[in-house]
Amino acid sequence: GAGVSQSPSNKVTEKGKDVELRCDPISGHTALYWYRQSLGQGLEFLIYFQGNSAPDKSGLPSDRFSAERTGGSVSTLTIQRTQQEDSAVYLCASSLAFAGSGGWVFFGPGTRLTVL
Amino acid sequence: SQQGEEDPQALSIQEGENATMNCSYKTSINNLQWYRQNSGRGLVHLILIRSNEREKHSGRLRVTLDTSKKSSSLLITASRAADTASYFCATASNYGGATNKLIFGTGTLLAVQP
Repeated sequence: GAGVSQSPSNKVTEKGKDVELRCDPISGHTALYWYRQSLGQGLEFLIYFQGNSAPDKSGLPSDRFSAERTGGSVSTLTIQRTQQEDSAVYLCASSLAFAGSGGWVFFGPGTRLTVL
Repeated sequence: SQQGEEDPQALSIQEGENATMNCSYKTSINNLQWYRQNSGRGLVHLILIRSNEREKHSGRLRVTLDTSKKSSSLLITASRAADTASYFCATASNYGGATNKLIFGTGTLLAVQP
């Protein structure tokens, strides 16, 4: 595709349910990022994948959060036993090279998660 | 955790005026990037400045970087109503064993009045 895509665009769930958020990065991009943005706030780093290296999971807020990246392409962010404080926009981004090398980072439109 | 702090948090100016936003960060970096986020969700990459650069221009944008003060500024000249958005700085670093994740500042909300 032309850009980073995410699905679903909106997700409403009940407290305690599990959710899966999907990210399709730009083809060929080796770096993939997940961020979370609460209303009116900045972007909170969650997890970073770079090629075949072990992901940097240092931003995941609890063990209810996990992410996978299959075949170096599509990524899924899973939130188990959702809580109301998990409500936010979840943004995925990808880049051809790692950010430290100056690779431009392209963002998807995000998934708006609402936990009732 | 956030790497950068931006000020002001909000800025309101008239069309045609210049807008300056500042960003401070805490650790050594490889580069610093500025992004714009319009109401909605997507972020758009604006400009990147490397740690060995001091100033960079792109159209109506001018970015400066002072690594000794760990700060950067974004200047938008001759602002337009369409520049109304939130602006974020983001730093990339692989120092101290850190991976090359991009860490964002808190953002500045710019409103340009027509």
